[in-house]
Amino acid sequence: GAVVSQHPSRVICKSGTSVKIECRSLDFQATTMFWYRQFPKKSLMLMATSNEGSKATYEQGVEKDKFLINHASLTLSTLTVTSAHPEDSSFYICSATVTTNEKLFFGSGTQLSVL
Amino acid sequence: GEDVEQSLFLSVREGDSSVINCTYTDSSSTYLYWYKQEPGAGLQLLTYIFSNMDMKQDQRLTVLLNKKDKHLSLRIADTQTGDSAIYFCAETPNQGGKLIFGQGTELSVKP
Repeated sequence: GAVVSQHPSRVICKSGTSVKIECRSLDFQATTMFWYRQFPKKSLMLMATSNEGSKATYEQGVEKDKFLINHASLTLSTLTVTSAHPEDSSFYICSATVTTNEKLFFGSGTQLSVL
Repeated sequence: GEDVEQSLFLSVREGDSSVINCTYTDSSSTYLYWYKQEPGAGLQLLTYIFSNMDMKQDQRLTVLLNKKDKHLSLRIADTQTGDSAIYFCAETPNQGGKLIFGQGTELSVKP
């Protein structure tokens, strides 16, 4: 099946620094990528939808200046958490789809811990 | 609005069947999904069902859909310890790939 690679799997950073998370589709071209956030013992919350070559669409309540998303190519989307603070600590997961079909392929997630 | 509800915990003995239930609110959802998440890992698509189906079976997995009651269930036959994980149901109310997830059901399988 299709593979989505997410990197890094775990990152610890100091408060105030920025962290970039990469999401790559390895064997298919992903026209749309999604970024989710998951708090411990909680469901996944969609943060934004990213289409290649256009600006990301953010869900209500998600700060677009805080969570910068770039989808520069059909195989790569990045999420940058700018000026991270401890409350940004969470598990972030990306997913990708070829078209608006039924299958989404998920990355393995990134555990962000902000000290 | 869009809302998906699941019970939070389920504990079964190895070899028994597990049934995880889910209710959703948006009747326009075309597809409904079950995902599995193992500790510290991403999501794995287990199975999905098209909204015009009542049942779908895939090896040990059986999905039942009651569209009238907006109720979805996942039955795992002969549950194994390796099935211990969090299971999420999800719907796509507006298609386009956007998923609305339930809170997840933590399945614990005891030997």
